[in-house]
Amino acid sequence: SQTIHQWPATLVQPVGSPLSLECTVEGTSNPNLYWYRQAAGRGLQLLFYSVGIGQISSEVPQNLSASRPQDRQFILSSKKLLLSDSGFYLCAWSVGLAGANEQFFGPGTRLTVL
Amino acid sequence: AQSVTQLGSHVSVSEGALVLLRCNYSSSVPPYLFWYVQYPNQGLQLLLKYTSAATLVKGINGFEAEFKKSETSFHLTKPSAHMSDAAEYFCAVSGPRGYSTLTFGKGTMLLVSP
Repeated sequence: SQTIHQWPATLVQPVGSPLSLECTVEGTSNPNLYWYRQAAGRGLQLLFYSVGIGQISSEVPQNLSASRPQDRQFILSSKKLLLSDSGFYLCAWSVGLAGANEQFFGPGTRLTVL
Repeated sequence: AQSVTQLGSHVSVSEGALVLLRCNYSSSVPPYLFWYVQYPNQGLQLLLKYTSAATLVKGINGFEAEFKKSETSFHLTKPSAHMSDAAEYFCAVSGPRGYSTLTFGKGTMLLVSP
């Protein structure tokens, strides 16, 4: 069966510090991968998605970036965190290109920027 | 462009009462629609999805939703609420990009009282 892992589970970082969040998927090949941010009362905001190694699409211009160094690994990074980067970050995966295919979500990372 | 509107950021019901969570969508193409549930500090779990096979869709935990094209709605219902149903619920529509991207509503928090 497929599983998705995210770490760390929680993170407290000072403003201006770097960030690296990691997501890995097991039990499937060539998944589509996604990063979302969830802020209170604002639903889920799609940040990045990837359909293959090295292929990243950005949905929202900001100080975050994403990389996909391996087929089932997706990394979210920042060189300098802002207070507004605080939130709950969710990684998700899906297979295929059909719109009917659901996404499966990881457990999330709670990021607090102080 | 795709969009989702969830009416009511909070819905309160008594245990045993009918649950009705409202979702209206906007889509330039025939939509695929999803309902997800999120428990505190966890990822999202798929409840059900509409993929044009049947307008009444049954999901997990006794939930179901009916696709009404004329009303552009996909409301989620459950005949009898349980305390364990207390969570946040998100409606989503496929798109606007390809590769199974989803556009989410802002969520509805379901509160269940004894």
